[in-house]
This record gives sequence, structure tokens and C-alpha cells, in this order.
Amino acid sequence: DARVTQTPRHKVTEMGQEVTMRCQPILGHNTVFWYRQTMMQGLELLAYFRNRAPLDDSGMPKDRFSAEMPDATLATLKIQPSEPRDSAVYFCASGPLHGSGGGEQFFGPGTRLTVL
Amino acid sequence: AQSVTQLGSHVSVSEGALVLLRCNYSSSVPPYLFWYVQYPNQGLQLLLKYTTGATLVKGINGFEAEFKKSETSFHLTKPSAHMSDAAEYFCAVSDDGGSQGNLIFGKGTKLSVKP
Repeated sequence: DARVTQTPRHKVTEMGQEVTMRCQPILGHNTVFWYRQTMMQGLELLAYFRNRAPLDDSGMPKDRFSAEMPDATLATLKIQPSEPRDSAVYFCASGPLHGSGGGEQFFGPGTRLTVL
Repeated sequence: AQSVTQLGSHVSVSEGALVLLRCNYSSSVPPYLFWYVQYPNQGLQLLLKYTTGATLVKGINGFEAEFKKSETSFHLTKPSAHMSDAAEYFCAVSDDGGSQGNLIFGKGTKLSVKP
């Protein structure tokens, strides 16, 4: 049963600390997305990659957030330094080869981040 | 640019009643449309999708949606609500006809089901 995995599932940290979230997309998927979900803002797209290359990261605060795909099986989202307003659930999603599935995305279970 | 509007941030129905969640979209290209469901403390899960072909699409858990081009709508329905349907539902449209893989999501509708 292929699925997107995310680690850690929960993270509590103090303001100013570095946070790294990891995502393993479904094998064979070539698009990867990072979303943030909060009660106030809902679901926001932070960044996405195709074939490991960043296509759009306009939703991401550039001064503290960075997203990378070191290889096809790993995507990372890093916050440095973290702030209380970064508290949210961060989702990773992956999608199959473009043109198939019509753009369907498969979501991971999320990382719930709390910054104190 | 593509966009999605979900009418009603909260909908409450009684168990056994009809569920109707509304979604209108705007798209400059033939739309690919999706409904996702999010149960508490979980990620989003695909309910159903419309790409091409038949405009009435059936999904999991008894849900279906009808693509109406003239009304730019893709409303989600279920004839009889079950307690387990309580969740948040998101409508989405593909950013560019499905070729790039980016989806534009609506703000979501929380469905409550009363016993």
C-alpha cells in the first residue's frame, strides 16, 4: 500500500530553534508539495517540486524557510529560526507523472509543529 | 487564473439526511476537479475526481459529484449522511488542466452530522 510518509509526526520546540521536517513521497511520483494548515489561514501551498527541481516557492517566507529534495525519495522543509507563528500542521503531498491522474495529489499524515 | 469557492464553511445535517456541499470554480482551461476529505488529525484523502468524460462522478463512501460546466459547479452529494462522514471537505481545481500537478484548494467545509 503505497503512501506518503512524514517524520516527525509531532514536534514541540522553542522559539529560535531549527526545525527539519522530512517527507518520503510515493515511489515513482515526480511532483512533491509542501502545505501548511492553520485554523486561521486554512491550507496554504508553501512550495512544490517537479523532478526534484523547485518550481514555485512563492508561498514560503524566504528568510526562515527552505525546502529541498536531496534525492527522489526525500523532501525536506526546514525552518531556521522557528517562531511561535510557525505553529501549524505541515503536510507533504506527492503526485504522479504530470498528465496522468489529472493532477491528483496524495497527502501524508502531516507534522504537527508547536513552537513555544 | 483558477480559483475555487466553497459556499458555507460549516454545514450540519442529521444522520440519514441528504448531504450537499457546494463548490464553484473558475478556470481558463478545461478544469480537472477534485474533492478531498480530511478526518480529524489526518491528511487529506481523495474522495473523487473529474477529469474528462462522464460528468457524474462517483467516489468512495457513497459520495458523488456532478460537473456542470454551464454553472461552473462541482457540488458534492451523498443521499444519506452517516456519523462517520463528519469531517472537513475540500474542493480543488487543477492549476492548468492537470499537466503540472498543482491544485488550487477551496477553504474547506466542515460537515457535522447530528444523531
